[in-house]
Amino acid sequence: GEDVEQSLFLSVREGDSSVINCTYTDSSSTYLYWYKQEPGAGLQLLTYIFSNMDMKQDQRLTVLLNKKDKHLSLRIADTQTGDSAIYFCAESIGGGGADGLTFGKGTHLIIQP
Amino acid sequence: KAGVTQTPRYLIKTRGQQVTLSCSPISGHRSVSWYQQTPGQGLQFLFEYFSETQRNKGNFPGRFSGRQFSNSRSEMNVSTLELGDSALYLCASSLTSGGIYYEQYFGPGTRLTVT
Repeated sequence: GEDVEQSLFLSVREGDSSVINCTYTDSSSTYLYWYKQEPGAGLQLLTYIFSNMDMKQDQRLTVLLNKKDKHLSLRIADTQTGDSAIYFCAESIGGGGADGLTFGKGTHLIIQP
Repeated sequence: KAGVTQTPRYLIKTRGQQVTLSCSPISGHRSVSWYQQTPGQGLQFLFEYFSETQRNKGNFPGRFSGRQFSNSRSEMNVSTLELGDSALYLCASSLTSGGIYYEQYFGPGTRLTVT
């Protein structure tokens, strides 16, 4: 079955890098995603990685995928107060629609001044 | 281009009642998915519609149903509401479904409170 796990909280100092980790169990996952949710808002797609990639970089965001260990991480460089939110890791077998996305419980990123 | 819109944004209902939530996808998007978000269970997939057909359904009771119209707008219905149905219901739209990669864009959600 599908299961995605994340730690619930991460606290970092402003200006430091944040690394949010995620493990998944479905070896047939095709796409892996990172979503951001701010209070009272819906989900914002931050980035995604195809399962045959090891790394993807997009401005301050770096995604690392270790397919052997089924481990995904999101690194946010130079963390700012505006990065304070809940970050969800999600996986899908197909493109993410018909099969639905399986989400982790989310990691609350807390920024210390 | 306007994003995914959901109406209403907030709703309070009583146990036993039924409710209908609406989702308008991004123009040109034909796939609409629905998710339920609760503090206990997190985000869970409800169902997905593409070209007016339900293609897949999550593990929810038959009280949860949906439909999609020819203009891709979608509604979901929950009958005989229970306290546990209190949640944020999120709708997501994407250009197509299955096969090639596509991005899912989420709406702001409808916050349903059942009393």
